[in-house]
Amino acid sequence: EAQVTQNPRYLITVTGKKLTVTCSQNMNHEYMSWYRQDPGLGLRQIYYSMNVEVTDKGDVPEGYKVSRKEKRNFPLILESPSPNQTSLYFCASSSGGAFVRAQYFGPGTRLLVL
Amino acid sequence: EDQVTQSPEALRLQEGESSSLNCSYTVSGLRGLFWYRQDPGKGPEFLFTLYSAGEEKEKERLKATLTKKESFLHITAPKPEDSATYLCAVQARGSSNTGKLIFGQGTTLQVKP
Repeated sequence: EAQVTQNPRYLITVTGKKLTVTCSQNMNHEYMSWYRQDPGLGLRQIYYSMNVEVTDKGDVPEGYKVSRKEKRNFPLILESPSPNQTSLYFCASSSGGAFVRAQYFGPGTRLLVL
Repeated sequence: EDQVTQSPEALRLQEGESSSLNCSYTVSGLRGLFWYRQDPGKGPEFLFTLYSAGEEKEKERLKATLTKKESFLHITAPKPEDSATYLCAVQARGSSNTGKLIFGQGTTLQVKP
């Protein structure tokens, strides 16, 4: 089954404790992206990757890091989480590389930073 | 600055009452415009991609159209199961950040039986 998986689905952590949210897709897609979704602010892009070893900033990259060492994986790293990073996070993937096509979204990771 | 605006924010319809959702965009050049449906607590689900003005795409009760400044999602004779938040996103054509996608804030549709 074609899918995007994220882990963990729910996470409660404390300020400053480094964490990683994993994202994996099994569709051989070139393009992968991370979003955060907050009430009243909609879906905002954090980082994206058009292929292996190619990453670029979205609209809200501050406080986040990403890497794309393999085509199927695109982890999101919060080096020192803060309460304003409490949010619902989605990973997505698409074929087409620089010409994004239909994005397939993961189920989401709900993060609470205390 | 590239921008995507959706209206209305919320829409309530009776079952069978057709209507349209609007997505207006301001970008330097359009590479693609996307419509997604999102159910509460779930990830967005792809509906349509439109690439050039005049293009139309249809799926069941939904039809998406595109002009040079906006897109419409027409819902014909909606059913309660069409209730969801509908998101519009744009990929701009540019010399840098070409993979960046900008989402509108969405229109939450409620269809009452």
